Amino acid sequence: SQTIHQWPATLVQPVGSPLSLECTVEGTSNPNLYWYRQAAGRGLQLLFYSVGIGQISSEVPQNLSASRPQDRQFILSSKKLLLSDSGFYLCAWNPGFYEQYFGPGTRLTVT
Amino acid sequence: QQQVKQSPQSLIVQKGGISIINCAYENTAFDYFPWYQQFPGKGPALLIAIRPDVSEKKEGRFTISFNKSAKQFSLHIMDSQPGDSATYFCAASSGAGSYQLTFGKGTKLSVIP
Repeated sequence: SQTIHQWPATLVQPVGSPLSLECTVEGTSNPNLYWYRQAAGRGLQLLFYSVGIGQISSEVPQNLSASRPQDRQFILSSKKLLLSDSGFYLCAWNPGFYEQYFGPGTRLTVT
Repeated sequence: QQQVKQSPQSLIVQKGGISIINCAYENTAFDYFPWYQQFPGKGPALLIAIRPDVSEKKEGRFTISFNKSAKQFSLHIMDSQPGDSATYFCAASSGAGSYQLTFGKGTKLSVIP
């Protein structure tokens, strides 16, 4: 069966510090991968998606970037965090078809 | 064109009652309509989904009703339980490209004993 992991689960970072969030999927190959951000009590904002290694599409201009160095690994990064980057970051995958499955999320607080 | 409009924003239902959440869309290319359930601090979980070739799909106490001509779909939770208290998101996809989902803004459901 397929499993999606995200780490860390929680993170508190000062403004101006770098960020690296990691997402990995097990039990599948060549998945489509997604990064979402969810502000407190709000909906899901798609940040990036990837249909293959090294292929990244950005949905919203951000202080963030994404990379996919391996087939089942998706990384969200920032060089300098802003207060507005605080939120709940969710990674998701689908097997190249409709069903999309979410990871457990990373709670990021920028202080 | 790409929006999915979800209502109500919040819903309070008595235990044992029926919870109904509605969504409407504009993009006629959408052909997959899932519902997600999210508990606080957790990632959304795929609850149930429907394709436009059927008007209703039922899984346990959860039913999706789909009206293609009206471009609307809804989630019905029968015999609502306190454990159903969560935020529910509807979504839609056209399957183009990476099968991206367009999400509604969510409905916070509270089921009171």
